Amino acid sequence: AQSVTQLGSHVSVSEGALVLLRCNYSSSVPPYLFWYVQYPNQGLQLLLKYTSAATLVKGINGFEAEFKKSETSFHLTKPSAHMSDAAEYFCAVSSSGSARQLTFGSGTQLTVLP
Amino acid sequence: GAVVSQHPSWVICKSGTSVKIECRSLDFQATTMFWYRQFPKQSLMLMATSNEGSKATYEQGVEKDKFLINHASLTLSTLTVTSAHPEDSSFYICSARPGGDYGYTFGSGTRLTVV
Repeated sequence: AQSVTQLGSHVSVSEGALVLLRCNYSSSVPPYLFWYVQYPNQGLQLLLKYTSAATLVKGINGFEAEFKKSETSFHLTKPSAHMSDAAEYFCAVSSSGSARQLTFGSGTQLTVLP
Repeated sequence: GAVVSQHPSWVICKSGTSVKIECRSLDFQATTMFWYRQFPKQSLMLMATSNEGSKATYEQGVEKDKFLINHASLTLSTLTVTSAHPEDSSFYICSARPGGDYGYTFGSGTRLTVV
């Protein structure tokens, strides 16, 4: 079984400040890890993914995440927050079965203050 | 890039009626699609895995007779909420894997309101 824990259901940062959204995973096999963003009443958009290649993954909109096996973490960062980054962020891990269904964390609402 | 189209974006229906939601892969074939339900301010909960040409696999606690899934072609899966009730009101999202890089593509979601 696989699971994801996102620490902090709400995170507020000032515009221009560092964004750090935390994600820890549990997996019995090497995981595939994802970060998605969701805007109100919309589907999910992939920010970045880790699939056992480079441990530092760069995504869209200036986001990046680092896979740390020793810490079972996959935290999402962005050096400078923009107002348009305000959204819900989900960390997810894929299962090891052939269907590779996703298991999502509980989500983190990011607020960017002017 | 791979696109999943979901329709309708929102629907309001009366209690007791049925509602069909479509999920189409526009530029790739999807033998497997996933249906999620999302309550306000909560995460996505997997309802079922839709398999082309065979029966869907439902997660524990999901009523398969209420949430009918049909995956008749490699580009279309449908979710029908039968005899809808207000407690079925929710945001439903479908997803598929274009393949190759292990990524998942999501539809834009359907806001269902049962009155």
